[in-house]
Amino acid sequence: GAGVSQSPSNKVTEKGKDVELRCDPISGHTALYWYRQSLGQGLEFLIYFQGNSAPDKSGLPSDRFSAERTGGSVSTLTIQRTQQEDSAVYLCASSFRERNTEAFFGQGTRLTVV
Amino acid sequence: GENVEQHPSTLSVQEGDSAVIKCTYSDSASNYFPWYKQELGKRPQLIIDIRSNVGEKKDQRIAVTLNKTAKHFSLHITETQPEDSAVYFCAASSPAGGTSYGKLTFGQGTILTVHP
Repeated sequence: GAGVSQSPSNKVTEKGKDVELRCDPISGHTALYWYRQSLGQGLEFLIYFQGNSAPDKSGLPSDRFSAERTGGSVSTLTIQRTQQEDSAVYLCASSFRERNTEAFFGQGTRLTVV
Repeated sequence: GENVEQHPSTLSVQEGDSAVIKCTYSDSASNYFPWYKQELGKRPQLIIDIRSNVGEKKDQRIAVTLNKTAKHFSLHITETQPEDSAVYFCAASSPAGGTSYGKLTFGQGTILTVHP
């Protein structure tokens, strides 16, 4: 079946604008993660949706960042009033949490704030 | 919560040499340890994983060892090739809520460069 899909692949936005990034996880996967990766850097954890439990939002860098996961499937990461430092690749990953197995990553959304 | 430390941050080897990347974790209940490889411009992909009931696992030129007592695990790549050049991430899954599964926490990554 299809893997994790993210859209758009690339997004250029003006400073101060809001952006929405979308993640379609693998069907049936109960866990969904968002990470941010700046050029040459590691994976910065943002948020973790864990089935029906409350999401772990401990990695969100500011209140400009929010995310939701509707119906236990598609997730949207929203960044309000974008800043240049928000420029990065945003990666989504999903897993079948209850099987305690690997997380599969999407191809990422490259966000550039100009 | 779980904390995973990964070393070294960069590693440079000659083709044919071995490479070792080490990770330590803080939660003694962590029970699943995957390793990911991320080539330039691509998504991270699983290359090998190990569970807490096993001490070592091998897959051709790569192997992972786990020391639960010391709370560390390592990735070993033998006979390195230029195509092994990538960023490698370790991770640990720490159970939560009385279950056997939980959230994956990643290390900071190691940039491996294999020189021909």
